Amino acid sequence: EIVLTQSPGTLSLSPGERATLSCRASQSVASNYLAWYQQKFGQAPRLLIFGASSRATGIPDRFSGSGSGTDFSLTISRLEPEDFAVYYCQQYGTPRITFGQGTRLEIK
Amino acid sequence: EVQLLESGGGLVQPGGSLRLSCAASGFTFSDYAMSWVRQAPGKGLEWVSALSNSGTSIYYADSVKGRFTISRDNSEKTLYLQMNSLRAEDTALYYCAKDFYSGSGSYYNLWGQGTLVTVSS
Repeated sequence: EIVLTQSPGTLSLSPGERATLSCRASQSVASNYLAWYQQKFGQAPRLLIFGASSRATGIPDRFSGSGSGTDFSLTISRLEPEDFAVYYCQQYGTPRITFGQGTRLEIK
Repeated sequence: EVQLLESGGGLVQPGGSLRLSCAASGFTFSDYAMSWVRQAPGKGLEWVSALSNSGTSIYYADSVKGRFTISRDNSEKTLYLQMNSLRAEDTALYYCAKDFYSGSGSYYNLWGQGTLVTVSS
């Protein structure tokens, strides 16, 4: 099983600032099959990024993903008030999917 | 409208059983793999099980293997999760999710709103 470790656990920033979230895998993720999701309180997760760097339909271009192998990141270039939420990475390079434990992005 | 609607959750005693359903609409259900993902109260996402579009490829998390059974009825556009020998640690909101591909092992571009399962005496 591939273990995904996200850091930091909580990130406190202000609107307009840049956010960088990290996701590290315990072994290389095949074909960079790494996705990112956003989850707001009381809502289902929403797909942001797939294939490490491809934005899903309708996702603003302030969201970007990068990385390969075992180290991946999600960057939000300029935080909007609606971006404060919990973010999860997911690897789908193996049939047994795994998620990271999440990073909470909170308003400073 | 493209959507997934889960049902079947509820309160069950330890050792009991429940069957969850997920009704799909707005897309060709038989073209896509489907999965169950759960979230314990205040916790993160945990993948539970996945089933390919034809039903030939099935995968389970170690935490539920031997107790849970995933299945689908493509004619009814419905995904199921039969849960037996339930434990307190199975308490969670269970999401149905649509895989992007037909085979298992994908990202999820459509999620339901979840159905809550509570295992308690």
